[in-house]
Order: sequence, then C-alpha cells, then structure tokens
Amino acid sequence: AQRVTQPEKLLSVFKGAPVELKCNYSYSGSPELFWYVQYSRQRLQLLLRHISRESIKGFTADLNKGETSFHLKKPFAQEEDSAMYYCALSPVGGFKTIFGAGTRLFVKA
Amino acid sequence: SQTIHQWPATLVQPVGSPLSLECTVEGTSNPNLYWYRQAAGRGLQLLFYSVGIGQISSEVPQNLSASRPQDRQFILSSKKLLLSDSGFYLCAWSVVGSNQPQHFGDGTRLSIL
Repeated sequence: AQRVTQPEKLLSVFKGAPVELKCNYSYSGSPELFWYVQYSRQRLQLLLRHISRESIKGFTADLNKGETSFHLKKPFAQEEDSAMYYCALSPVGGFKTIFGAGTRLFVKA
Repeated sequence: SQTIHQWPATLVQPVGSPLSLECTVEGTSNPNLYWYRQAAGRGLQLLFYSVGIGQISSEVPQNLSASRPQDRQFILSSKKLLLSDSGFYLCAWSVVGSNQPQHFGDGTRLSIL
C-alpha cells in the first residue's frame, strides 16, 4: 500500500539551529515527492518537489530510495519557518497525491 | 494568474440536512480538481478527484458525493449529513497531467449539530 509517514507530530528547535523534518514513504516504484507548508492563517502551499532539486527558503530535501525517505532540512532555522509541514507522494503517472499526517515545526527565539 | 475560490468559509448544519460546497478555479483550463478532508493529526484525506467534466473518482466510500458540472467548477455534496461529516474540507487544483503539484483553497469548516 502507498503510504507517507511523518513520525514527528511536533518539532521544536531554537532559532539558528539545524532542523530536519522526517518523511518516509511506502511505494513500490519511483514516486514524485513533495513538501507542502501551511503558515498560520495561510493556505496550504507547495514548498518544494524533489524533481526540481531546488532550495526554497533555505530548505532542501533529498530523495533516498534505499531508505525510502525524503527528509526536509534547513541548516539554520528562522522564526518565520514555524508552520505545519506535510510530506506528500504522487505515484508515477497518477493524478492523486497521498499526504502524511504533518509535522508542526516551532522555532523558538 | 490562476486563482481558486472555495465557499462558504464556515458552515453549521443540522444532522440530516443536505450539503453543497463549491469550488471554482480561474485562469486555467481543464485543471485536475480535488476534494480533501483535513483532520488534526491525520493529514489530508483525498475524497474525490476529477480530471475532466463529468469524470469523478471516489477514493473513500462515504456519505458524500462530488460533481463537476463545468470545467472549472467542483462541488461536494451530501443528501443527508451525519455527525461524522464534521471537519475541514479543502479544494485543490493542479494543471492538466499527472504528478503535478496542487494549489489549495482556503477551506470550509463544516460543523454538524
């Protein structure tokens, strides 16, 4: 079965500290993977997708097919990074997206 | 630019009443359209998606139905609401094609009394 697991419901770090939001997936092929973010009082929006290999707002995510992981990382967290983060998987050639339960990141001053 | 509108923002309905939530997209043609339910601690549950007018795929058997009467209009309905239908409903769209990122509306908070 296709599944996305985000093991941490809440992650709290200090400003300037590195942050890693974990995401593991279950899928037999090579999926498209995404990270979405929802800031307070804003819409859920795309942060980045693995196929783009971009760094957005200082965040990067590397697909590790051996570990079936797609962890989101940032070397120095900022207070404005506090938000709800969702990892998501889209099966190759498919139209639907499977979301994880989300991790709330809280960056303390 | 593309925009998505979802309404109403909040809705309080009695058990057994009908439901109609509407979502429209502007600035794009033939989008893929989606309805999700978002529950705290459980992420987003895909309810329905549509790749074209009149084409609806249901992901979860339930008390709800969806329709796409026009290219950029997606409606979530129920004939008789249950208490368990309470929740936060999100509409989203993506450009035509597979594996595209999705763009979300503001959501509707539905409370069943």
